[in-house]
Amino acid sequence: DAGVTQSPTHLIKTRGQQVTLRCSPKSGHDTVSWYQQALGQGPQFIFQYYEEEERQRGNFPDRFSGHQFPNYSSELNVNALLLGDSALYLCASSPLGSGYTDTQYFGPGTRLTVL
Amino acid sequence: AQSVTQLGSHVSVSEGALVLLRCNYSSSVPPYLFWYVQYPNQGLQLLLKYTTGATLVKGINGFEAEFKKSETSFHLTKPSAHMSDAAEYFCAVSANFGNEKLTFGTGTRLTIIP
Repeated sequence: DAGVTQSPTHLIKTRGQQVTLRCSPKSGHDTVSWYQQALGQGPQFIFQYYEEEERQRGNFPDRFSGHQFPNYSSELNVNALLLGDSALYLCASSPLGSGYTDTQYFGPGTRLTVL
Repeated sequence: AQSVTQLGSHVSVSEGALVLLRCNYSSSVPPYLFWYVQYPNQGLQLLLKYTTGATLVKGINGFEAEFKKSETSFHLTKPSAHMSDAAEYFCAVSANFGNEKLTFGTGTRLTIIP
């Protein structure tokens, strides 16, 4: 049973560019959450998607947007990149629709470097 | 709103000694509490969780944590440290189950001294 997968593993962009990160949830999971982990910090919640809709959102600007596909996979898009967007981006999945009070399972992350 | 505070950004213990990592939480509703571990260049792995019921929670790799409502604490312990325990540990809280937004502490880096 594959866990949460993310692509790419590493990414280097320059200021002002746009980036798309991808996540495939664990089998049987229908909810995807995205977190940003800056160097030396704990992860911070960006948003969560369920049934292809944004269900919850943290304190991130509109430059951060997302999408969930019918197969439950998800994308995180960041526009107009800033140096401060350099971080490890973590995707987590959970089976919200099943009604189980389960937890979130994390992928290995995508390391984004903005130059 | 929920928040967690992890006391001690760095903790060093000798191999075989007791591991104690501290976490205090703040929550306006009954909290759901978690400990995650992160090895270098990897994602987060769930160690254990408290939702309801028994306040002493046992997790993987010999770790356990006790939920103390009166002290608003959820400290992580392991009786005997192993070299493989060296990692970053994060305490997290959510307001409703584990499917909801997780709020993390700033982490504690655990070093094991041979």
